[in-house]
Amino acid sequence: DTEVTQTPKHLVMGMTNKKSLKCEQHMGHRAMYWYKQKAKKPPELMFVYSYEKLSINESVPSRFSPECPNSSLLNLHLHALQPEDSALYLCASSRRGVSLRQGSSGNTIYFGEGSWLTVV
Amino acid sequence: AQRVTQPEKLLSVFKGAPVELKCNYSYSGSPELFWYVQYSRQRLQLLLRHISRESIKGFTADLNKGETSFHLKKPFAQEEDSAMYYCALGPQETSGSRLTFGEGTQLTVNP
Repeated sequence: DTEVTQTPKHLVMGMTNKKSLKCEQHMGHRAMYWYKQKAKKPPELMFVYSYEKLSINESVPSRFSPECPNSSLLNLHLHALQPEDSALYLCASSRRGVSLRQGSSGNTIYFGEGSWLTVV
Repeated sequence: AQRVTQPEKLLSVFKGAPVELKCNYSYSGSPELFWYVQYSRQRLQLLLRHISRESIKGFTADLNKGETSFHLKKPFAQEEDSAMYYCALGPQETSGSRLTFGEGTQLTVNP
């Protein structure tokens, strides 16, 4: 089972709204990721959680706020977004956490179906 | 710095023809290379990773360290292969946490 589940599949929100994207995996993976993907473009890394701690923030604006309540769940809280933030938001997970000291060959990243976000 | 180059944004072939999607990478350490496929409005799916040396849906890819390439090949393309294909590079040292994607190649297989 390589299932990463994301909800909602579609979200339309105003620029003053507060909403959240949710992600769940039950594969025992210790790293979880948020990516942003614009149409016909590759995914861009936003955040990485490793062992439930934020390990990478790719200089993402503070209107995006990630949260990892436990090892299976990852949220992305959205507030005061701009229309240019409209995109597909992908959650992903991988078996091993991020560790610079650890040999890590074969740590494949598995993606969810994504949440289509439209900011109006 | 790590970089992935997919020189063709669009590739169109006829059903039954061979197809090769090119991928070149730049990385000074030990790379891990992946191919992901994204069908229209579906999730990004792992197609191949170089360490497993397997064939999925008839696709194969060989890592050529001398040419720093990881081209994706299929001898006989099918219409259902039409999709966006991304080559990705993940350094072994950081556990694939910073996957670098190429810009992608949109493959269209015509009947």
